[in-house]
Amino acid sequence: EIVLTQSPATLSLSPGERATLSCRASHFIGSDLAWYQQNPGQAPRLLIYDASNRATGIPARFSGSGSGTDFTLTISSLEPEDFAIYYCQQRTLRTFGQGTKLEIK
Amino acid sequence: EVQLVESGGGLVQPGGSLRLSCAASGFTFSVYTMAWVRQAPGKGLEWLSYIDNSGTNIYYADSVKGRFTISRDNAKNSLFLQMNSLRDEDTAVYYCARERGHYYLQDWGQGTLVTVSS
Repeated sequence: EIVLTQSPATLSLSPGERATLSCRASHFIGSDLAWYQQNPGQAPRLLIYDASNRATGIPARFSGSGSGTDFTLTISSLEPEDFAIYYCQQRTLRTFGQGTKLEIK
Repeated sequence: EVQLVESGGGLVQPGGSLRLSCAASGFTFSVYTMAWVRQAPGKGLEWLSYIDNSGTNIYYADSVKGRFTISRDNAKNSLFLQMNSLRDEDTAVYYCARERGHYYLQDWGQGTLVTVSS
């Protein structure tokens, strides 16, 4: 079983700052990693797939990188609507990480 | 516009059954793998099951294997999740989603709440 570990659990930043979220896989997963954003009371939204490809309609301030076991989601300059919970997901058994809450400092 | 609309949630007693439905529109349903994901109150996302476009390949998470059954009706653009032997820990919002690229979920419904309680 492949476990995804996200860090930090909570990230406190201010609008305009740069956010760096991490997702680490317990085994090699190549580039088969996706990132989702979820706002309270809403369904998740796909941000990034195949580690670095932005989904349709996702702003350019969101970028993904990494391969193998270590992955990063970067938000270059935080907008108010970016404060949400972020999940990573991998291909084998489709498992999700436990999430990172991005909150306003 | 892609739309996924879940229905069938509600309150059920432990040990009971419930059948969730997901009505799809805005895309050629019969071409895509579909999935169910749930989220317990205040918790993270848990992938439950997927079914390929023809219904031939089906997979379940260990947590629901043997209790839940995924199915689809391509003629009616509908996805289903039959849930039996429900437990308190099955209480969650259940989402249906369209899968792309053999794993990632491009489109999601708004979810339907299932509450298992006596």
